Amino acid sequence: AQKVTQAQTEISVVEKEDVTLDCVYETRDTTYYLFWYKQPPSGELVFLIRRNSFDEQNEISGRYSWNFQKSTSSFNFTITASQVVDSAVYFCALSDPQTSGSRLTFGEGTQLTVNP
Amino acid sequence: DSGVTQTPKHLITATGQRVTLRCSPRSGDLSVYWYQQSLDQGLQFLIQYYNGEERAKGNILERFSAQQFPDLHSELNLSSLELGDSALYFCASSVGLAGGGTQYFGPGTRLLVL
Repeated sequence: AQKVTQAQTEISVVEKEDVTLDCVYETRDTTYYLFWYKQPPSGELVFLIRRNSFDEQNEISGRYSWNFQKSTSSFNFTITASQVVDSAVYFCALSDPQTSGSRLTFGEGTQLTVNP
Repeated sequence: DSGVTQTPKHLITATGQRVTLRCSPRSGDLSVYWYQQSLDQGLQFLIQYYNGEERAKGNILERFSAQQFPDLHSELNLSSLELGDSALYFCASSVGLAGGGTQYFGPGTRLLVL
């Protein structure tokens, strides 16, 4: 069955530190998609990135980077030089169309607190 | 701003009541999804509509129902409300039907059942 595990429930860092949020997934599909969403204190879910299972290239977007490793079924998210505005809950999600259609399966989320 | 709108933002009601949550997808998106976020269950998929038709069902209670109208907006109806239905309800939309498309989420409706 499809499953997403975010083992880190809470992480607290000091501003300018780098921080990595872990995401491990399970699926039997060979074609699947992985996502990261951010949920700031205001509550909305903000899309950050989408990755398909055939594209293992790491991606960098400003201070954000993502490391996709199929061999370990992981899709980790790193924030470089963290800022207070990065404080939020971050969710990793999986879409495995063959098994689950279009629905997203979410991890439990990681609460990131960046202290000044 | 994702382009997905949801009303109302907040809703307070009593047990046994019925409420309707409304969602308008992004322009051009044909798929609408409903998710529930609660402390004990996390983010759970409820139901998907595509161009007016129900396409997938998740952990949606029988007391809950949804529909998508010809103008593509969607409504989630929650009836015989219980305390445990208190949660943040999200609507999301995507362009197509197939899995893997990016889902953009609305701001959510926070429901409190007293």
